[in-house]
Amino acid sequence: DAGVIQSPRHEVTEMGQEVTLRCKPISGHNSLFWYRQTMMRGLELLIYFNNNVPIDDSGMPEDRFSAKMPNASFSTLKIQPSEPRDSAVYFCASGREADTQYFGPGTRLTVL
Amino acid sequence: QKEVEQNSGPLSVPEGAIASLNCTYSDRGSQSFFWYRQYSGKSPELIMSIYSNGDKEDGRFTAQLNKASQYVSLLIRDSQPSDSATYLCAVNGPGYALNFGKGTSLLVTP
Repeated sequence: DAGVIQSPRHEVTEMGQEVTLRCKPISGHNSLFWYRQTMMRGLELLIYFNNNVPIDDSGMPEDRFSAKMPNASFSTLKIQPSEPRDSAVYFCASGREADTQYFGPGTRLTVL
Repeated sequence: QKEVEQNSGPLSVPEGAIASLNCTYSDRGSQSFFWYRQYSGKSPELIMSIYSNGDKEDGRFTAQLNKASQYVSLLIRDSQPSDSATYLCAVNGPGYALNFGKGTSLLVTP
């Protein structure tokens, strides 16, 4: 079985540009999570979906960040406009409700 | 904000020794506890979950939970250099979310 798939794996962009990160969860999982990891703050939950519905977006840092899950097999995290402080590794994880979460390989974002 | 605290380390142990990693959490209502291992440049990988007080063993790994003390630990027996990684403690939050500690860096020296 394929695990969680994320794209791109690396993204370098300039401040002010729009960035879109993509995630395909494991088939059959009904919960999807977006995390951000930095050395300073560790692994932070940004938003999670259950059955494609956003449940908790309290971790989204500001209005520049938005996430969608149009169907059970695809989600996006968008940053518009991007800023240098958004530079981090962004992980997508999926799971079956309260069960274990499985992480994707991550997207390393650098905003210049 | 629910807190999950870990000593950042690095924790250095010789090969073959027992490594002991500790975690405390602030939310008394937490029911699910997880240990993830993260190699440098890689994503977190689940190694243990525990839901009841006491010990849970899986191979060289033992997770220990004490809800009264709000304390979770991970013991790694017969530590190997390949165990060198950052170990993240995670505790369930509201709904299905997990709150992660910042991790403890473990270095196993040959």
